[in-house]
Amino acid sequence: NAGVTQTPKFQVLKTGQSMTLQCAQDMNHNSMYWYRQDPGMGLRLIYYSASEGTTDKGEVPNGYNVSRLNKREFSLRLESAAPSQTSVYFCASTSRLANTGELFFGEGSRLTVL
Amino acid sequence: GDSVTQMEGPVTLSEEAFLTINCTYTATGYPSLFWYVQYPGEGLQLLLKATKADDKGSNKGFEATYRKETTSFHLEKGSVQVSDSAVYFCALSSGGSNYKLTFGKGTLLTVNP
Repeated sequence: NAGVTQTPKFQVLKTGQSMTLQCAQDMNHNSMYWYRQDPGMGLRLIYYSASEGTTDKGEVPNGYNVSRLNKREFSLRLESAAPSQTSVYFCASTSRLANTGELFFGEGSRLTVL
Repeated sequence: GDSVTQMEGPVTLSEEAFLTINCTYTATGYPSLFWYVQYPGEGLQLLLKATKADDKGSNKGFEATYRKETTSFHLEKGSVQVSDSAVYFCALSSGGSNYKLTFGKGTLLTVNP
């Protein structure tokens, strides 16, 4: 049972480069999320998708875009990477039908922007 | 807006010691409260939760009680093990169908043999 799968696990970029973080879940969940984790800051919500076809900004959306490609996949794009985007990124999902509020997380993608 | 404040770490304990990690929150309405744990190199996983006042969540020997009067959800364990070494996050969800979680900053726990 794969759960939430993120790729890549590690990436190094130069300032100004672009990249896309991929996320897929196999639990038939409706809602998906992208968080970033920084030392001393906890996890902060970047974007979320409550259901297929919808996306909304979270707490720190600037510099990012997202695409909910289908029910399984939710990608995060950095159009022009900046050193401030060096972070560990986590994708998560949950089932609105189950109504537990529990998020299931991927293992994270560590991004370094030079 | 919603916010979660948890005690600063790191916390270092000896095996079999008693653990308390404090968590207080600010939220509108009646949030659900969660403790997540992150083991080294892994994503977060749910440890326990409580959805209404006076509920006690428990799992793997950890407990936390939803105290509405003090807006707190402190995590406790009577006897920690080396395998409990991890980062612990307190979080809340204010409800609605989006299940957005607001997290505290995390507390690193190290348990020594």
